[in-house]
Amino acid sequence: SQTIHQWPATLVQPVGSPLSLECTVEGTSNPNLYWYRQAAGRGLQLLFYSVGIGQISSEVPQNLSASRPQDRQFILSSKKLLLSDSGFYLCAWSVTDRPHFGNGTRLTVT
Amino acid sequence: AQSVTQPDIHITVSEGASLELRCNYSYGATPYLFWYVQSPGQGLQLLLKYFSGDTLVQGIKGFEAEFKRSQSSFNLRKPSVHWSDAAEYFCAVGAGDTGRRALTFGSGTRLQVQP
Repeated sequence: SQTIHQWPATLVQPVGSPLSLECTVEGTSNPNLYWYRQAAGRGLQLLFYSVGIGQISSEVPQNLSASRPQDRQFILSSKKLLLSDSGFYLCAWSVTDRPHFGNGTRLTVT
Repeated sequence: AQSVTQPDIHITVSEGASLELRCNYSYGATPYLFWYVQSPGQGLQLLLKYFSGDTLVQGIKGFEAEFKRSQSSFNLRKPSVHWSDAAEYFCAVGAGDTGRRALTFGSGTRLQVQP
């Protein structure tokens, strides 16, 4: 069966520090991969999606970037975090059906 | 582009009472529709989904939702709410081609259950 792993579960980082959140999927090949963000008191916003290795589409301009170095690995990064980057980040995968979500990473930028 | 509106930010119901959470969507074609639930600090769990066919969809935990094309709605219902249903609920619409299938989410409805 397919599983999705996302880590870390929580992260506290100072403003200006770099960020790297990792997501891996097991049990499937060539999935579509997504990064969503949920700001406090708001819904989920799609940040990036990827249909294949090295193929990244950005949905909103921001301080973040994404990379897909391997088929089932999706990384969310920032060179310098902003306070506004705080939120709950969710990775998801899909093949032909609905997206399947990881358990999320709560990022607090102080 | 598609959009989703959940007009109720916060709803409080008594345990055992019925529940209806509203969701309206905007999309030019037949959408894929979803309801997810999120417990505090957790990821998203799929309650139910509508792709085609019967417009009344049954989900997990006793939830159901009805797709009404004429009203562009996909409201979530449960006949008798349990205290464990307290959570945040998100309606989502999926669109785009097979290569994408990203979801657009509503802003969520927080459900509080009173004893």
